[in-house]
Amino acid sequence: AQKVTQAQTEISVVEKEDVTLDCVYETRDTTYYLFWYKQPPSGELVFLIRRNSFDEQNEISGRYSWNFQKSTSSFNFTITASQVVDSAVYFCALLTTSGTYKYIFGTGTRLKVLA
Amino acid sequence: GAVVSQHPSRVICKSGTSVKIECRSLDFQATTMFWYRQFPKKSLMLMATSNEGSKATYEQGVEKDKFLINHASLTLSTLTVTSAHPEDSSFYICSALKAGGYEQYFGPGTRLTVT
Repeated sequence: AQKVTQAQTEISVVEKEDVTLDCVYETRDTTYYLFWYKQPPSGELVFLIRRNSFDEQNEISGRYSWNFQKSTSSFNFTITASQVVDSAVYFCALLTTSGTYKYIFGTGTRLKVLA
Repeated sequence: GAVVSQHPSRVICKSGTSVKIECRSLDFQATTMFWYRQFPKKSLMLMATSNEGSKATYEQGVEKDKFLINHASLTLSTLTVTSAHPEDSSFYICSALKAGGYEQYFGPGTRLTVT
């Protein structure tokens, strides 16, 4: 079965705090891709990162960092020194290469950064 | 780039009328487009997969006679909500797959309100 679990429904932090959004996935495929998207109140999905299953190297982009651990089937996302503009819903998604290239989305984590 | 547009961005219609939403890939050809529906505070739910020149493939539980999908060209797919009812009110998002690619590029979404 293919599945993405984002156990944190909503997180509230105070500005400048670090916050980690969890993502756990299930797939039997050996080749797959993982994504993170940000959905601000406007509704438009903003692409943040893509990772393929053969690349476990962690990535940092400014205040954002991602930790991909195949051993635990996790792809967690950390925002350092959070800002109010980071407030949004964040979705983790899995794409497997077998079949029709459908995305499997997690249920999303709503992040509220308070000033 | 890979830009996907949707039109209209917001529509209000009366119960019983039909509404057409357009999804266009502006700078690439999309052999496959996807239509999603998102309820408030929920994740994206895949409705159907649309391939250029052929019938759409609908997900289980999605009424194909109610949600008509046409993918007449490599840059345009349309979703028509027929005989809309208030329960069809939702945020509809399309995405497009580049020919030969695997990553979906998302449109900005259309917010439909049926009164």
